[in-house]
Amino acid sequence: IQLTQSPSSLSAFVGDRVTITCRASQDISSYLAWYQQKPGKAPKVLMYAASTLQSGVPSRFSGSGSGTDFTLTINGLQPEDFATYYCQNLKNYPITFGQGTRLEIK
Amino acid sequence: EEQVVVSGGDLVQPGGSLRLSCAASGFNYGDHYMEWVRQGPGKGLEWVAATRDKANGATTEYAASVQGRFTISRDDSKNSLYLQMNSLKTEDTAVYYCVRDINNKGSWYFDLWGRGTLVTVSS
Repeated sequence: IQLTQSPSSLSAFVGDRVTITCRASQDISSYLAWYQQKPGKAPKVLMYAASTLQSGVPSRFSGSGSGTDFTLTINGLQPEDFATYYCQNLKNYPITFGQGTRLEIK
Repeated sequence: EEQVVVSGGDLVQPGGSLRLSCAASGFNYGDHYMEWVRQGPGKGLEWVAATRDKANGATTEYAASVQGRFTISRDDSKNSLYLQMNSLKTEDTAVYYCVRDINNKGSWYFDLWGRGTLVTVSS
C-alpha cells in the first residue's frame, strides 16, 4: 500500500492554519497514524486511528479521513510545530510511510 | 521511565554484516510487537522489520528490500530486540530506530522510539 502526501513542503506563518493530506493506494479504513519529526530527533506520534489525538499532543492538531483520503490539520501554528510530518499505514504488513511533508516558517 | 536504547551502529564494508541491539526498560516488553524503522540520510522513514509478541508466536515480517538479508529476533528474558544485518549494501546506510508498537483499543501505532543508531555501509 503506497501513501502519497501533499504537499511535499510548505511555508506558513506562526498562527496560520495548515492542512496536510495523505492518500492511500487502497482502502486502509482508519489504520493511519501521523508523526512529527524534528531534525536529529526520532519521530513522535501525533495521531492514530486517523483522528485520535495521542495523549499529551496539543489540541491544535486534528486528523480526519478514512478509506483512502486523510488529512492532518494544525490550527494556529506555533514555532515548535515547524518540522517534517509523516503519515503511516498500519492496515497490514508491510507497514508504509508517506514521503513526508516539510513545514517551514515563512 | 519507558525507553528503548539502541546500540551497534558502525561503519561496515559492502557485503559485510552487523548486529544491532535494542534494550527495553520501564514496560512489559514481552507484551509488545517490536519494530525496526530506518531513515537514510536526508530521506524519509522506511519500515524494516517486525516481530510479534510471544502470544502471537513471535512471528516476523520484513520489508522486501531486506527480506533474506536481515533477521529480526527478540529475547524476552533480556528485554532485548536484535537486528542481524547480512550482505549489507550501500543503500542500507541509515539511522536505525528500535520502536515499540502499541495496540490501543484495536488501533495500532508506534508509540516509543529509541534514539537511533547510524549504520554506514561504505568501502
